Amino acid sequence: DGGITQSPKYLFRKEGQNVTLSCEQNLNHDAMYWYRQDPGQGLRLIYYSQIVNDFQKGDIAEGYSVSREKKESFPLTVTSAQKNPTAFYLCASSIAEGLLRDSPLHFGNGTRLTVT
Amino acid sequence: GQNIDQPTEMTATEGAIVQINCTYQTSGFNGLFWYQQHAGEAPTFLSYNVLDGLEEKGRFSSFLSRSKGYSYLLLKELQMKDSASYLCAVEGNYQLIWGAGTKLIIKP
Repeated sequence: DGGITQSPKYLFRKEGQNVTLSCEQNLNHDAMYWYRQDPGQGLRLIYYSQIVNDFQKGDIAEGYSVSREKKESFPLTVTSAQKNPTAFYLCASSIAEGLLRDSPLHFGNGTRLTVT
Repeated sequence: GQNIDQPTEMTATEGAIVQINCTYQTSGFNGLFWYQQHAGEAPTFLSYNVLDGLEEKGRFSSFLSRSKGYSYLLLKELQMKDSASYLCAVEGNYQLIWGAGTKLIIKP
């Protein structure tokens, strides 16, 4: 079955360390997204990519970086510059960028990152 | 600014009906989504509304009034597995704006 795989499910890091969250999809979707979910807040977009080797900043890109070298993969690096990195991170994909009504987002199961 | 409001938490009884409201103020409107998210899991797509009115899909229905900036998700014949958070999201100008979600607690 096709889907989105995020790994690991739980990740613990010390403050000052960079950490990379994995996201792989086999849905043949062009567009991929990273969201951050915090208690009491809606999902916030970090980065998105519409096509290989291209990506755009979302609303809260500071302290994060991404790459899109392959269609299937969209890893997110949380750098030491991110002031409050502890959160639940969700990766998503859709068939193509454009009106999402034509292509609802499919989400991975998330990675819970704890930085101490 | 852009804003989506949903109740933080609701409680209902197994077998009953519950209505989860969502009000929004966004720049541009291309559609409204409802997602279900069990704790620690991926949000899953439930419904999409672009025109005013009620869309029914099994035990779940979703309603939209664009003039009022209002939607609701209606869940009938509640089951324990319906305990989850329900997320409302509006597609504005090629951007999805998310509400904080409503945590639904089902009691036997």
